[in-house]
Amino acid sequence: QQQVKQSPQSLIVQKGGISIINCAYENTAFDYFPWYQQFPGKGPALLIAIRPDVSEKKEGRFTISFNKSAKQFSLHIMDSQPGDSATYFCAAVTGTYKYIFGTGTRLKVLA
Amino acid sequence: DTAVSQTPKYLVTQMGNDKSIKCEQNLGHDTMYWYKQDSKKFLKIMFSYNNKELIINETVPNRFSPKSPDKAHLNLHINSLELGDSAVYFCASSLQGARGNTIYFGEGSWLTVV
Repeated sequence: QQQVKQSPQSLIVQKGGISIINCAYENTAFDYFPWYQQFPGKGPALLIAIRPDVSEKKEGRFTISFNKSAKQFSLHIMDSQPGDSATYFCAAVTGTYKYIFGTGTRLKVLA
Repeated sequence: DTAVSQTPKYLVTQMGNDKSIKCEQNLGHDTMYWYKQDSKKFLKIMFSYNNKELIINETVPNRFSPKSPDKAHLNLHINSLELGDSAVYFCASSLQGARGNTIYFGEGSWLTVV
């Protein structure tokens, strides 16, 4: 119940294409859903986040879609660029202190 | 200025040794964390401290002992290192708890046990 399932494990997209990463959860107590981006040799950094009272949030080329009834949320990267190549983690937060991270998606954008 | 800094960045040591990783944050945050990232990139929380008080201990072997001398520092000491301890250890901090707050990660400490 505390898991966040993330797919796909890896993704290869052409430059200019749309990258889509999906996450699903079971615990309805989760109430904050961030996405983190990690470049090789670096720590993860917050990319974008959404609360469950909103169905979509957009920041530049990055959009989170949230489906509360299906307990799923996804990250869409529009016009994907080689500089977006990184590992992406979805997460869900329950209680005051507990982030549960998904298993990560390695994205490679081909030039 | 690095927000969350941890040292050392790389650590190669033999099985059975004891080692420490130090972490400091200059963001004025109340909450600090240790995360472990294994070779498959899975990120798992180990410990969470709020204002020097232990909040989360995620069934980590007691060979791992965190110490928070003040709210800006959270160090990790590991006794009797095992091969399976090889991983990247990330220190992180957030303003107050995780809900609604960004977690800021350090650059990681790459531990290799041989």
